[in-house]
Amino acid sequence: QSVLTQPPSASGTPGQGVTISCSGSTSNIGTNYVYWYRQLPGTAPKLLIYEDSQRPSGVPDRFSGSKSGTSASLAISGLRSEDEADYYCAGWDDSLSGPVFGGGTKLTVL
Amino acid sequence: EVQLVESGGGLLKSGGSLRLSCVASGIIFSNEWMSWVRQAPGKGLEWVGRIRINTDGGTTDYGAPVKGRFTISRDDSKNTLYLQMNSLKIEDTAVYYCTTDRVSMVRGVITNIPDSWGQGTLVTVSS
Repeated sequence: QSVLTQPPSASGTPGQGVTISCSGSTSNIGTNYVYWYRQLPGTAPKLLIYEDSQRPSGVPDRFSGSKSGTSASLAISGLRSEDEADYYCAGWDDSLSGPVFGGGTKLTVL
Repeated sequence: EVQLVESGGGLLKSGGSLRLSCVASGIIFSNEWMSWVRQAPGKGLEWVGRIRINTDGGTTDYGAPVKGRFTISRDDSKNTLYLQMNSLKIEDTAVYYCTTDRVSMVRGVITNIPDSWGQGTLVTVSS
């Protein structure tokens, strides 16, 4: 059981947009930054979004993050087949004094 | 470019010990807080623990499932991070990733979240 809650799956067609949600509590998302990772099949996770909405260099602006209260979202616009991957949210948890992750969302590009 | 290369994984029996290594390049290793994160087969990500840089005390923290059994250390002269795993259990079976950490100060609390990741090394514990 993950501390942060994500839908297990999401889907979209090429060119469309999709949003993945991440729900937490006041001890994590509600008071700390949210981070998003993408994990392509058979590879290590890669940081997509940090501090709620910031993109590391090299991450295209098709990826955007937002947060409201104890929930956060990752939006992907202009879907491409190569976006098919698992997406994880993460954040610091004050109660656990460490990083916590969502269970991951498998994105399928139809 | 950051490169992290883990090694040391393998197959072993429950109760055994194993030490993983992670060699870093492309960064000033001594300036980086480092973490280990694991992923059980077909499952999500789980933070294992973290070590601060020596100028911040070089101290460690661990997730509850591994506390008292796992130990993280670093050798800055070798740009290498270690994970000593003792009293291994079947549920420790996972790919273990070494990560650099993104460190932030939020409301006076220092937080660290994994940033760059290695390719991982598989640890399989059998009964």
